[in-house]
Amino acid sequence: SQTIHQWPATLVQPVGSPLSLECTVEGTSNPNLYWYRQAAGRGLQLLFYSVGIGQISSEVPQNLSASRPQDRQFILSSKKLLLSDSGFYLCAWNGQSSYNSPLHFGNGTRLTVT
Amino acid sequence: AQSVTQLGSHVSVSEGALVLLRCNYSSSVPPYLFWYVQYPNQGLQLLLKYTSAATLVKGINGFEAEFKKSETSFHLTKPSAHMSDAAEYFCAVSNSGTYKYIFGTGTRLKVLA
Repeated sequence: SQTIHQWPATLVQPVGSPLSLECTVEGTSNPNLYWYRQAAGRGLQLLFYSVGIGQISSEVPQNLSASRPQDRQFILSSKKLLLSDSGFYLCAWNGQSSYNSPLHFGNGTRLTVT
Repeated sequence: AQSVTQLGSHVSVSEGALVLLRCNYSSSVPPYLFWYVQYPNQGLQLLLKYTSAATLVKGINGFEAEFKKSETSFHLTKPSAHMSDAAEYFCAVSNSGTYKYIFGTGTRLKVLA
């Protein structure tokens, strides 16, 4: 069966520090991969999605970036964190074969920037 | 462009009462619609999905939703609320022309004993 792993579960970082969040998927190949951010009362904001290795689409211009170095690995990064980067970050995947394939989410990373 | 509106950021119901969570969508092409549930500090779990087959969709945990094209709605219902239903619920839309899934702002359901 397919599983998705995100780490770390929680993270407290000072303003201006770098960030690296990792997400891996097991049990499937060629998944679409997504990064969402959830802020209180604002729902889920799509940050990046990827349909293949090295293919990244950015939805919101900001100081975050994403990379997909391997088929089932998706990394969210920042060189210098801002206070506004605090939030709950969720990685998700779905199958390549169909647009109506539902998203499967990891358990998220709660990031607090101090 | 697609969008989703969830009316009511907080909904309270008594245990055993009907649950109704509202979702309206906007899409220029036939949509695919989803309901997800999120428990505290966890990711989202799929409750049900509409993909242009039956308009009444049954999901897990006794939930169902009805797609009404004329009203551009996809409301989530459950006949009898249980304490374990307390969570946040998200409606989402996608379509065949995009890889993007657009989520509503969520409705937090509180179940009163």
